[in-house]
Amino acid sequence: GAGVSQSPRYKVAKRGQDVALRCDPISGHVSLFWYQQALGQGPEFLTYFQNEAQLDKSGLPSDRFFAERPEGSVSTLKIQRTQQEDSAVYLCASSLQLAGGRHEQFFGPGTRLTVL
Amino acid sequence: QQPVQSPQAVILREGEDAVINCSSSKALYSVHWYRQKHGEAPVFLMILLKGGEQKGHEKISASFNEKKQQSSLYLTASQLSYSGTYFCGTRNNAGNMLTFGGGTRLMVKP
Repeated sequence: GAGVSQSPRYKVAKRGQDVALRCDPISGHVSLFWYQQALGQGPEFLTYFQNEAQLDKSGLPSDRFFAERPEGSVSTLKIQRTQQEDSAVYLCASSLQLAGGRHEQFFGPGTRLTVL
Repeated sequence: QQPVQSPQAVILREGEDAVINCSSSKALYSVHWYRQKHGEAPVFLMILLKGGEQKGHEKISASFNEKKQQSSLYLTASQLSYSGTYFCGTRNNAGNMLTFGGGTRLMVKP
């Protein structure tokens, strides 16, 4: 497809379960970002990859959150032992951006995670 | 620290104009504007770069005051399709990620 895709679109988890969220960026995009968006708020940065290298993970809220992009394309955000405060929309964005950042980020539709 | 957007919400009649402001306390490299409709992905509108370069939609204009670390988005002759929440995302020289404001909810009525 032409845009960023994410799956699943909706995920309901019981507290304590592990979840995995997938992101397929636009083909050829070097940079990939994960953001968390709470209801009624702007997206908040979680982590950033340039190709397969995770260059910034300063936004990950706890060590229960883990992200990978092993082949520099598809990325997975994993949340272990989910808590109710993890309920949010998780957005993935990709960009042609290299160091210098002159390119826009294109967002996927997000995964809405609800933790019961 | 996230940028501050104003106003928080605005209601317009079709054809009216609006200005949305974004202000940061940090020196900025670029400002990115997005529109998000309920349940959908944020859609890129415009990027303004330090030094004056811009790229984005033809029907939407924006300004970037580097000295004041402020940006404004100008919506003219609004259409019903302009309704949604507008976010500014700022990037400073320290990193590649965007820091988003709290959003401005825009409703255009017939």
